[in-house]
Amino acid sequence: AQTVTQSQPEMSVQEAETVTLSCTYDTSESDYYLFWYKQPPSRQMILVIRQEAYKQQNATENRFSVNFQKAAKSFSLKISDSQLGDAAMYFCAYRTVTGNQFYFGTGTSLTVIP
Amino acid sequence: DVKVTQSSRYLVKRTGEKVFLECVQDMDHENMFWYRQDPGLGLRLIYFSYDVKMKEKGDIPEGYSVSREKKERFSLILESASTNQTSMYLCASGQGGSLGTDTQYFGPGTRLTVL
Repeated sequence: AQTVTQSQPEMSVQEAETVTLSCTYDTSESDYYLFWYKQPPSRQMILVIRQEAYKQQNATENRFSVNFQKAAKSFSLKISDSQLGDAAMYFCAYRTVTGNQFYFGTGTSLTVIP
Repeated sequence: DVKVTQSSRYLVKRTGEKVFLECVQDMDHENMFWYRQDPGLGLRLIYFSYDVKMKEKGDIPEGYSVSREKKERFSLILESASTNQTSMYLCASGQGGSLGTDTQYFGPGTRLTVL
């Protein structure tokens, strides 16, 4: 069974600093997709970044980047130059290539300190 | 932009009531999902549907049922609401199968309180 683990329930970062959120997953599949979602307080959940497992290169979206370690089944999110608007709950998620179901971690609540 | 809407942002019901949560998407997505979000537990899948009139149980289907009569609409039904169903309910939609690079798109959520 696929499981996704986020071991940091809460994290904090100073504005303009860098923070890394951790995610590990368990799967027997060789090809799959990984996602990071952001849920701001009282607002809609949105996609931050996604990674395809067969791609060696780590995905990057502006200030957001991932460190994908396939052998270790690790998928961490790095936020550079943190901004107040980055404060949110962040969820890591996994899905197989052909499957329909997403599997989510329990989330990390990120606080940005001015 | 993809839009996923949910019928209510906040809902208060009494124990034993039948509750309907509605979700509509405007992107012609095959897949639609209902999740329950609780602190410390993340998102747990209740049901999903990969086509009209088709449904699959998720991880926590007990006490819930669903209906998908039209492609754009996916309803979650609590046949007899109980206090342990007090939660945030999130609807999502997305493409499926070989288009798996696509993400899920979420609605704003319905915060349901059962008294």
